[in-house]
Amino acid sequence: KAGVTQTPRYLIKTRGQQVTLSCSPISGHRSVSWYQQTPGQGLQFLFEYFSETQRNKGNFPGRFSGRQFSNSRSEMNVSTLELGDSALYLCASSSRYSGTSGESTDTQYFGPGTRLTVL
Amino acid sequence: AQKITQTQPGMFVQEKEAVTLDCTYDTSDPSYGLFWYKQPSSGEMIFLIYQGSYDQQNATEGRYSLNFQKARKSANLVISASQLGDSAMYFCAMREAPSSGGSYIPTFGRGTSLIVHP
Repeated sequence: KAGVTQTPRYLIKTRGQQVTLSCSPISGHRSVSWYQQTPGQGLQFLFEYFSETQRNKGNFPGRFSGRQFSNSRSEMNVSTLELGDSALYLCASSSRYSGTSGESTDTQYFGPGTRLTVL
Repeated sequence: AQKITQTQPGMFVQEKEAVTLDCTYDTSDPSYGLFWYKQPSSGEMIFLIYQGSYDQQNATEGRYSLNFQKARKSANLVISASQLGDSAMYFCAMREAPSSGGSYIPTFGRGTSLIVHP
């Protein structure tokens, strides 16, 4: 099985621009989560999508948004880029939604990340 | 307050020796999951091992084992017989339900950099 793929791998943008990152989960996986990793803040959860619906959301401003398509592929959009948005953006897929059922065992498999630099 | 604390920013170990990476966590949720990930310099996070809060036995996966002490809220990762390829950042993570209800939000520690010497 192919792993999680993310495109592009590297991106350079300027302040004020917007950017769209793409993530293709492992075949059969329906949950996609996005994370931001920076040296200062570490790894922070952005949001999780399952069956084309956003199920969980971290503490990020509305400039960060996402969506999921019927084939489970997901895109993340950041509008009005700021210097502080420079980070490694990681996508992770899992077969099930983490949900409220008490099931916390589902393993997430990560992609290689997109390194975004904002100048 | 920090949900996940990894007190060792960097660790060094000799090849073929065992090493323990520390992780303590803070939660009031009786149901939670603890994960360890490895992140090589390439950036990809690689899942290593999982421990559920209700699991009676410590998790093991090949050379990786998790020393789970629930009362002390610690979930240390033990790597036996270290290899040069084990040099990487290691992250401890927890998935718990928020106190206000809702779904399981994962939180990560700041990581431990492990260097394996030949």
